Amino acid sequence: QVTLKESGPVLVKPTETLTLTCTVSGFSLSGARLGVSWIRQPPGKALEWLAHIFSNDEKSYSTSLKTRLTISKDTSKSQVVLTMTNMDPVDTATYYCARLRLGRLSLYYFDYWGQGTLVTVSS
Amino acid sequence: SYVLTQPPSASVAPGQTARITCGGDNIGRKAVHWYQQKPGQAPVMVIYDDSDRPSGIPERFSGSNSGNTATLTISRVEAGDEADYYCQVWDSSSDHPVFGGGTKLTVL
Repeated sequence: QVTLKESGPVLVKPTETLTLTCTVSGFSLSGARLGVSWIRQPPGKALEWLAHIFSNDEKSYSTSLKTRLTISKDTSKSQVVLTMTNMDPVDTATYYCARLRLGRLSLYYFDYWGQGTLVTVSS
Repeated sequence: SYVLTQPPSASVAPGQTARITCGGDNIGRKAVHWYQQKPGQAPVMVIYDDSDRPSGIPERFSGSNSGNTATLTISRVEAGDEADYYCQVWDSSSDHPVFGGGTKLTVL
């Protein structure tokens, strides 16, 4: 049974660095044709992809947030970590991690999602 | 970057058929995936690779993709289908996923 679970602070202050952890089970972070993404959703707004990491450690970041994001994984702990620097109130959102699976045309989709964690940025 | 366009809202009476569109340049050449998000919950994949259904998703959910429009069709709509629906593709040029803006489906 595949599960993903996000953990991290519920409240951060402006300018602080946010560190979120996604702990997965039911699959390996070294599995072929699999990856893990972070996606966020501000209250009442649409989904926004942030970053992903694949089993070969290949990483990619949202162009608009690239300078603030770092994604990494610890395969032995089954964890994927996202850090976002210089947090601002506009970064208030529910942050999700989701598994990436290779589909048709060698393109990826999100087949399993974590429950999400609401992060509020406020002084 | 690649842009996906969805209508912000749609409404349908129970028992009728809902069709939610997702527009994009030559989207028919891409694989389209659909996610359902109920209030306060995480998204759930309901269609992948244009028209495939994950296990556990009712046959009432189907998808199609051609030209510049992909469509999620929900037959015999139930009250429990009321949710936000998002389409997603993978933009090969940037090697990034792209989401549509979402469609809020209201069951009247």
